[in-house]
Amino acid sequence: DAKTTQPPSMDCAEGRAANLPCNHSTISGNEYVYWYRQIHSQGPQYIIHGLKNNETNEMASLIITEDRKSSTLILPHATLRDTAVYYCIVRSGTMYSGGGADGLTFGKGTHLIIQP
Amino acid sequence: DSGVTQTPKHLITATGQRVTLRCSPRSGDLSVYWYQQSLDQGLQFLIQYYNGEERAKGNILERFSAQQFPDLHSELNLSSLELGDSALYFCASSVAGGDNEKLFFGSGTQLSVL
Repeated sequence: DAKTTQPPSMDCAEGRAANLPCNHSTISGNEYVYWYRQIHSQGPQYIIHGLKNNETNEMASLIITEDRKSSTLILPHATLRDTAVYYCIVRSGTMYSGGGADGLTFGKGTHLIIQP
Repeated sequence: DSGVTQTPKHLITATGQRVTLRCSPRSGDLSVYWYQQSLDQGLQFLIQYYNGEERAKGNILERFSAQQFPDLHSELNLSSLELGDSALYFCASSVAGGDNEKLFFGSGTQLSVL
């Protein structure tokens, strides 16, 4: 799986859009971009994922650049409950790669702090 | 609520002891994953099972073992416990254990080794 780079921390005002960047310059053609978040000491929570096109769901939007080397997770109206560590993960799109450590590889993520 | 159930929520034990952590996956999910999260290591993948069979191994110590039972629940056994084993242990599940699947995580078991 390709490596990702995220800023260690970010602040955002409550009610504003939070834009979290992720660089994945070594991403290959069949790799998806996944975002998870972890609110303090809780289990990680799936947010969204995408391959090439921008994606939107009830939680967030994912914007992937045309060259797929970077992406941005957008929380449109951040609330205090969105304070968490956000993980950007690149993952093969094959059904099963056939061996090895196939669990998601979590890096250090971005600690997003929503300010009142 | 992710639908993944982990018990117990907290466990306090002494060095040298053995403990068992239990995980019930979401209804219909066949694959179970175990992760360890300590303050200095972050989230580390330990092991994955699919429909009772081991599928992938990560950074799991030889003192640790796991299994998935016919009813699809899983247990993680930690033996000869050391102070450094103190951590949050998470279980996750997915439908078929494929690479391109969402993982749903439980709320974790906090293990304290004294």
